[in-house]
Amino acid sequence: AQSVAQPEDQVNVAEGNPLTVKCTYSVSGNPYLFWYVQYPNRGLQFLLKYITGDNLVKGSYGFEAEFNKSQTSFHLKKPSALVSDSALYFCAAGGNTGFQKLVFGTGTRLLVSP
Amino acid sequence: EAQVTQNPRYLITVTGKKLTVTCSQNMNHEYMSWYRQDPGLGLRQIYYSMNVEVTDKGDVPEGYKVSRKEKRNFPLILESPSPNQTSLYFCASSVGRGSGPPPDTQYFGPGTRLTVL
Repeated sequence: AQSVAQPEDQVNVAEGNPLTVKCTYSVSGNPYLFWYVQYPNRGLQFLLKYITGDNLVKGSYGFEAEFNKSQTSFHLKKPSALVSDSALYFCAAGGNTGFQKLVFGTGTRLLVSP
Repeated sequence: EAQVTQNPRYLITVTGKKLTVTCSQNMNHEYMSWYRQDPGLGLRQIYYSMNVEVTDKGDVPEGYKVSRKEKRNFPLILESPSPNQTSLYFCASSVGRGSGPPPDTQYFGPGTRLTVL
């Protein structure tokens, strides 16, 4: 069965420091991977995706994610955190064999302190 | 503006009183989906639709119904709501990929917070 794990419920980082939000996945076939962000009282917004190609994917608001096939990971990163990055982040994954739904992780709350 | 709209945004109801949450998208997307978000559980898929008149169960379909009579609309129906359906509900849409890989980038509605007493 497909699954996505976000091992940290919360990540705390000081403004200006680099941030990493972790995600590992288990799917059949090659993975389709996504990161979404949810701000308070809002729906989810797309940040970035990996379908194929370069392992380092760049997305919105200066975020990037690195696809690591051997470790089945897709960690979200940003070189310099902003207070406005504080939000709930969801990783999602699906596989490309047959029809596969997208499975979401449980979410990681990012808190960036001034 | 490309968007997914949901109505109502907030709803408080009582056990057993049928309700419908509407979802509409203006992007001509084939794929639409309903999710519920609960603390500690993330997003779980309730139902999805690959196209008009094509719907299927997600991971937590019990107690819900859907229909897809038009491409733009995908209502979620709770025929007899119960307190365990108290949750935050999201509708999403995306370009379809047929019966193959998972949906591409999804566009989410603003959410409907449902409380069943």
